[in-house]
Amino acid sequence: SAVISQKPSRDICQRGTSLTIQCQVDSQVTMMFWYRQQPGQSLTLIATANQGSEATYESGFVIDKFPISRPNLTFSTLTVSNMSPEDSSIYLCSAIKDSSYEQYFGPGTRLTVT
Amino acid sequence: EDKVVQSPLSLVVHEGDTVTLNCSYEVTNFRSLLWYKQEKKAPTFLFMLTSSGIEKKSGRLSSILDKKELFSILNITATQTGDSAVYLCAEWDNYGQNFVFGPGTRLSVLP
Repeated sequence: SAVISQKPSRDICQRGTSLTIQCQVDSQVTMMFWYRQQPGQSLTLIATANQGSEATYESGFVIDKFPISRPNLTFSTLTVSNMSPEDSSIYLCSAIKDSSYEQYFGPGTRLTVT
Repeated sequence: EDKVVQSPLSLVVHEGDTVTLNCSYEVTNFRSLLWYKQEKKAPTFLFMLTSSGIEKKSGRLSSILDKKELFSILNITATQTGDSAVYLCAEWDNYGQNFVFGPGTRLSVLP
């Protein structure tokens, strides 16, 4: 398995500001993903974080709003830019360690935008 | 586009009951199906299924996959209040190279 940590665990931010969420895995992983989960809803994939290249974004998510970095095989960041109250959500990082496709999640970051 | 459907969306039972949660999927190139339990925080991995007809078991939980009929079930026997959670099913979309999640089943176990 993989142990994943995220920072911060929660934050309250003002409209128009940006927040960067960090995701650290305790070992090298094949793939890393970023999800958003709004209250009472299932998980929505934002993007796949690619090591050394631009992230692959899902429909409805763009790089200018959610820039992602993945400088190595154990670390990734997601920035939520120019925030609005609609961005209030839980943001989850996940990783697949190898070709087994077992996906593990970080504890999540609860973001509230006022 | 791959799609995952779960039923029921919500379920209320009493301690000691047995429950069966359903997950059906539409995929173009199946690779694996995963079950998760989500309480207050992040989803916790339960099972990964890749082969039809082989039951995976962990304590009171078990799961099986039917690749011909494109569905999986998660069984929980002798339910306890600690089993109350949202149970998520996800399928690996080999074309999109990502996981597609179902809406989840919210299970409430009453004492």
